[in-house]
Amino acid sequence: GAVVSQHPSWVICKSGTSVKIECRSLDFQATTMFWYRQFPKQSLMLMATSNEGSKATYEQGVEKDKFLINHASLTLSTLTVTSAHPEDSSFYICSARVPGQRNTEAFFGQGTRLTVV
Amino acid sequence: SQQGEEDPQALSIQEGENATMNCSYKTSINNLQWYRQNSGRGLVHLILIRSNEREKHSGRLRVTLDTSKKSSSLLITASRAADTASYFCARFTGGGNKLTFGTGTQLKVEL
Repeated sequence: GAVVSQHPSWVICKSGTSVKIECRSLDFQATTMFWYRQFPKQSLMLMATSNEGSKATYEQGVEKDKFLINHASLTLSTLTVTSAHPEDSSFYICSARVPGQRNTEAFFGQGTRLTVV
Repeated sequence: SQQGEEDPQALSIQEGENATMNCSYKTSINNLQWYRQNSGRGLVHLILIRSNEREKHSGRLRVTLDTSKKSSSLLITASRAADTASYFCARFTGGGNKLTFGTGTQLKVEL
């Protein structure tokens, strides 16, 4: 199957700083990528849809100025958590699907554990 | 919320036993998918069942789908300790573009 790589796997940052998480599709071009957030022992909640060459689409309740998404190339999307606070500590996961294949399986990155201290 | 419900929330069994997880959803679907997540890791796709299918097998996995009841079940036969993970059902919403996950079942298989 297709491979999606996410980096870093974990990061610890101080309150007030910004953290960037990268999501790469390694063997296919992804015009659309998805960012999820997951709290311990809970399900994945979709935060936003990242669109190559255009603005991301955010889900209701997600602050677009807080979670900056950039999808500048067909293989890379980044999520920047700005002015991070302890409540932003969570597990962030990206995913992508092979273009042209709607309603099919998604491929996920390994996830990033963010801890804000 | 469009999130599906899964039960049980947690399941603990002995190695060799079968594990059954159930998923219910509210909207119509083209297909329903099951994913596995090991602790602190990303998700791995297990199986996809289309809306016109009632049952599907993949190795030790068996998935059923009842569109009239808007429910699906995942059966893992002859479980192994390595099957310990969280299992999520998922379906597409937002016009077939967004993948929405159920609440998940945490499976623990003990030796």
